[in-house]
Amino acid sequence: AQSVTQPDIHITVSEGASLELRCNYSYGATPYLFWYVQSPGQGLQLLLKYFSGDTLVQGIKGFEAEFKRSQSSFNLRKPSVHWSDAAEYFCAVGSNDYKLSFGAGTTVTVRA
Amino acid sequence: EAQVTQNPRYLITVTGKKLTVTCSQNMNHEYMSWYRQDPGLGLRQIYYSMNVEVTDKGDVPEGYKVSRKEKRNFPLILESPSPNQTSLYFCASSLDRVGNQPQHFGDGTRLSIL
Repeated sequence: AQSVTQPDIHITVSEGASLELRCNYSYGATPYLFWYVQSPGQGLQLLLKYFSGDTLVQGIKGFEAEFKRSQSSFNLRKPSVHWSDAAEYFCAVGSNDYKLSFGAGTTVTVRA
Repeated sequence: EAQVTQNPRYLITVTGKKLTVTCSQNMNHEYMSWYRQDPGLGLRQIYYSMNVEVTDKGDVPEGYKVSRKEKRNFPLILESPSPNQTSLYFCASSLDRVGNQPQHFGDGTRLSIL
């Protein structure tokens, strides 16, 4: 069975500072990995995905993530956070079937 | 515009009163699914459908039913709602298997069962 752990429930970061959100997954084969963002009152929007190839993937809104097989991790980063990045972020792992497993989410607060 | 539409967005109802949450997508996607979101638990899959007339249970199917009579629609049915089904529900669709295709999500339906 696949699973995802997001160790940080809540992160506070200053505007303009860098951000890193952690994600660890458990899956027996090559995983399909996703990061989604959820703004208050909204559905989930895909930030980026990893299927294969280059382990550093670029997404929308200036986000990137790095797949590290040896650490079973897929951490999300942004060099300089904007106030509009305040949201809840979900890491998810998919297998080659119809199941998608989400982490519990990390809430990001941006202070001025 | 490509979208997944859920209705209603908000609903307060009482225990035992049957309700249906509709979900419709305009992208001709074969795969659709329902999730519930609870604090500290992330999103958990309730049911999914691989195509018309093909559905299967997700991780938390108890107390829910679904149907897929048309490709674009995937309603979620609570025959006898209970307070533990109070949650935020999301419908999603994707072109193919979720392992290798990102999903498009609706804006959510907040259900309160009293």
